[in-house]
Amino acid sequence: GAGVSQSPRYKVAKRGQDVALRCDPISGHVSLFWYQQALGQGPEFLTYFQNEAQLDKSGLPSDRFFAERPEGSVSTLKIQRTQQEDSAVYLCASTSGQGHSGNTIYFGEGSWLTVV
Amino acid sequence: AQSVTQLDSQVPVFEEAPVELRCNYSSSVSVYLFWYVQYPNQGLQLLLKYLSGSTLVKGINGFEAEFNKSQTSFHLRKPSVHISDTAEYFCAVTAGANNLFFGTGTRLTVIP
Repeated sequence: GAGVSQSPRYKVAKRGQDVALRCDPISGHVSLFWYQQALGQGPEFLTYFQNEAQLDKSGLPSDRFFAERPEGSVSTLKIQRTQQEDSAVYLCASTSGQGHSGNTIYFGEGSWLTVV
Repeated sequence: AQSVTQLDSQVPVFEEAPVELRCNYSSSVSVYLFWYVQYPNQGLQLLLKYLSGSTLVKGINGFEAEFNKSQTSFHLRKPSVHISDTAEYFCAVTAGANNLFFGTGTRLTVIP
């Protein structure tokens, strides 16, 4: 596709359930980012991949959060044993260059997670 | 680390009036600055960015922003807004690292 694609767009999970959120970046984009956006807040950084290497995971809030990009294209963000505080929009973004060094970052529409 | 403050959480403005959305940043190193727009149920779209050079940056949809290093500001302006400009606007900063630091957003509402 032309843009960053995320699925599912909407997910309702029961507390304690595991969820997996998928991101299809723009074809050929080297860098991929995950952000978490709580209601009424700006996005907050979770993790960064350069190709298949996870170079920065400093923003992951707990060890229940795990991200992977095994072949350097599609990425999955997994949240284990979901808690209510995990309710947020999870945004994926990609860019052709390395990191945020001035490159235009393209964001997906997000996956809206509600934990009940 | 860097941080961003967007002083106004909501800005109502009449159609065809000018608007300024304020953004101040904090950083001990040189930064890149961005403005993103988020329409309801959509992802973030880049409006404009400052990397270096001219401090006045022009973006899409008639928006512009001015980088002011002495005041550590990067305010967004548009001389005449349209109904379609109603959205959430986010200012963001990075020192070229792996992550962007976003402000909490300003909701612009254009009143007919």
